[in-house]
Parts: sequence; structure tokens; C-alpha cells
Amino acid sequence: EAQVTQNPRYLITVTGKKLTVTCSQNMNHEYMSWYRQDPGLGLRQIYYSMNVEVTDKGDVPEGYKVSRKEKRNFPLILESPSPNQTSLYFCASSFGQLYNSPLHFGNGTRLTVT
Amino acid sequence: QQPVQSPQAVILREGEDAVINCSSSKALYSVHWYRQKHGEAPVFLMILLKGGEQKGHDKISASFNEKKQQSSLYLTASQLSYSGTYFCGTEGRGNTDKLIFGTGTRLQVFP
Repeated sequence: EAQVTQNPRYLITVTGKKLTVTCSQNMNHEYMSWYRQDPGLGLRQIYYSMNVEVTDKGDVPEGYKVSRKEKRNFPLILESPSPNQTSLYFCASSFGQLYNSPLHFGNGTRLTVT
Repeated sequence: QQPVQSPQAVILREGEDAVINCSSSKALYSVHWYRQKHGEAPVFLMILLKGGEQKGHDKISASFNEKKQQSSLYLTASQLSYSGTYFCGTEGRGNTDKLIFGTGTRLQVFP
């Protein structure tokens, strides 16, 4: 089944403890992206990647890191999480150029930082 | 900059129609529309590319006026399954590869 898989689905952690949220897609998609969703703010882009070893900042990249060493994987790293990073995170992928390729979203990771 | 969606919320009876608008302050290259049900991931509805383009998906259609930097989503004869939050995502000219989403329009359809 074609899908974007995120893990974990739920994560509760403490301030400053490094964590990684994994994202993997099995559709051979070139484009991958991370979004965070907060009430009233919609989906805001954190980072995106057009291809392996190519990443770029979205609108809210502060406090996050990403890497794209393999085409299928695009992990999101929080080196020192803070409570303002408590949010619902979505990974998404697309076959190619956004003007003709829809985003496929993972099921989300709900992160709580205390 | 995030596109502005209006209205923020809509309440409908089954069979009624609704229009959701998405407006950007920047020149647009494409507009995406997605629907998200509570507790689920957003699901793709359609992409519009060219000025004045219209597309349809079942009884949901959309238009894109690139001169006005606006897109509208039309829901006709709404069904209970249409309930959810609708997001437009805009791709700006000269800034492609970034999809910026609006804050969403919550649609509730009652029997």
C-alpha cells in the first residue's frame, strides 16, 4: 500500500531532551516536507526537500533540523525541544513539482513537551 | 505569507451549497485544496494551475483566478461526509516548491 509512515504517533517528552520523528514513504517521491499544525494557525511548513541531500527552510524552521540521506526517509530532529514546540506534526510527500503533484500526508505525530 | 481563507466556519444542512474562498497577497502559480477530518491527516481534493481554471471532483469544484490571486471551492448539495476543515495551499510565482497553507475553514453539515 502506498503510504507515508510517521513514527511515533504520540510522544511526550521533557524540555531539552533530543528527539527524532521518523518519516518514510514507499512511493519513490522526490519531494518531502514537514508541517506543524496548531489551532487557529493552520499548517505551517518547517522544512522541505526536493531530493536526496537537498533541504530548504520553510516558514518556521527555528529549533528543527532535517536530513535527507535516502530518498524514502526524511526525519525531523528536535535537538533541544521546548514547550512551544508542542504541536501536531505532519510529514508529506509528493511525486514531483507541486503544480501538478498532490501532497500525501502521514497520519501525524502529536508531540507534547513539558 | 499565509493565504486568507473565508469564512472561518460554515454550518450547513444536508443538500445546501457552500463557497470557501482563498486569497493571497502574492502572485500565485498554483492552488491546492485539501480536506481534513477530525483526528485525521489532510486529504487531497484538487490542484488548480492556470488562470481561470476550474476543476470538479464529484460535487465539489473549484476555480482559480490568477489575476486576482484568488481561488474558490464550491460544495454543491452538501453531504454529511463533507464535514471537516478545508485548507487551501498556495504556491507562489518565483517561490515554487513551497506550499503555504491557509488557516482553514471548518465546515459542519447536519442532517
